[in-house]
Amino acid sequence: DIVMTQSPDSLAVSLGERATINCRSSQSVLYSSNNKNNLAWYQQKPGQPPKLLIYWASTRESGVPDRFSGSGSGTDFTLTISSLQAEDVAVYYCQHYASSPYTFGQGTRLEIK
Amino acid sequence: EVQLVESGGDLIQPGGSLRLSCAASGFSMNTNYMSWVRQAPGKGLEYVSAIYGDGTTRYIDSVKGRFTISRDISKNTVYLQMNSLRAEDTAVYYCARGMRTSNAPLDYWGQGTLVTVSS
Repeated sequence: DIVMTQSPDSLAVSLGERATINCRSSQSVLYSSNNKNNLAWYQQKPGQPPKLLIYWASTRESGVPDRFSGSGSGTDFTLTISSLQAEDVAVYYCQHYASSPYTFGQGTRLEIK
Repeated sequence: EVQLVESGGDLIQPGGSLRLSCAASGFSMNTNYMSWVRQAPGKGLEYVSAIYGDGTTRYIDSVKGRFTISRDISKNTVYLQMNSLRAEDTAVYYCARGMRTSNAPLDYWGQGTLVTVSS
């Protein structure tokens, strides 16, 4: 199974500042047939189900603010929030969907400093 | 509008069985894979099982032989039969839709149903 490891486990950022969350996979999640990375990012707020933010490592889901962006390839990926808003306080998860089981990272808790 | 509604969660004794259901609307299950993801209290997300567009099923090792995922396309419903339940199966179980038949992110999620395994 592919193991997903996120860093840091928690992060405190001031409003308006940049937040960066990293995700590393134990093997490449690059899909050779279409040269896309099988990597997604989710946001989960307390008491709510997760919400898809980013897929194919860098494609923003419809309706997601453009302050959220994803980057990376192969085994190393980053979720960046360019200017942190109060409503961005949440736990963020990466997930691969390259081969079953489509495992998640352990999550990164993002708070306001 | 895509909607997923889970049901069936309950308090159950160790060794017991439970069947979760996820009723889907707004799309047809033969065009998307369906997955169950669980979250133990205060913990992260754990991918449990999936049923793909071709009917293939997959499970994580800790539930193999105990859990069975199935679907009824005519009812647009996916199920998770859980047998020999253990305390460590206690979690909110989410039903989620894959964006296509396989190798895709989970783009819609239900609100979850709570399974508590305790004597």
